[in-house]
Amino acid sequence: AQTVTQSQPEMSVQEAETVTLSCTYDTSESDYYLFWYKQPPSRQMILVIRQEAYKQQNATENRFSVNFQKAAKSFSLKISDSQLGDAAMYFCAYRSAEGSNYKLTFGKGTLLTVNP
Amino acid sequence: DGGITQSPKYLFRKEGQNVTLSCEQNLNHDAMYWYRQDPGQGLRLIYYSQIVNDFQKGDIAEGYSVSREKKESFPLTVTSAQKNPTAFYLCASSINWGALNQPQHFGDGTRLSIL
Repeated sequence: AQTVTQSQPEMSVQEAETVTLSCTYDTSESDYYLFWYKQPPSRQMILVIRQEAYKQQNATENRFSVNFQKAAKSFSLKISDSQLGDAAMYFCAYRSAEGSNYKLTFGKGTLLTVNP
Repeated sequence: DGGITQSPKYLFRKEGQNVTLSCEQNLNHDAMYWYRQDPGQGLRLIYYSQIVNDFQKGDIAEGYSVSREKKESFPLTVTSAQKNPTAFYLCASSINWGALNQPQHFGDGTRLSIL
């Protein structure tokens, strides 16, 4: 079974600065998808960014980008120019693209605090 | 606006009672999911449904039951057999089970507490 590890339970960043959240995963598969979700205090989960394992280019969405290292099984999220609204719990998630078990496996999350 | 509606937002259960959490979506999605979230934990999959009249157990299905009689609706029943039901429950949907790069859309959640 796949596992997702987020080694930083909590992180903090100053407004306008850059922060990187770590995620590693364990899998024997070669085809899969990776996601970062954000859960603000309102508790609704929102997709931040996604990455297909077969794509070497790192995904980017405005101020959010990933550093995908397939060999190292690492998928970190970089938030540039941090804003107060970025404060939330961030979850890394893995989804297999092989076989028929396509369920999402989540890490335990990283709580990000943004200081004004 | 399209989305997922979960109700109620807060729910209290007496020991020995079954309770049902509602989840409705108007996104025309085939697949729906129920997750449980505990403090310091990620989301864990309880049940999922790929299509109407079909559902499968997830990783922690014991003490829970679901039905999928309509495409829009996927209610979750927490039975008295679930010994530790206090948690935050999230419902989600996606276009279909096989659309792997498509995100799951989530509701606002229901917080269940034991009296």
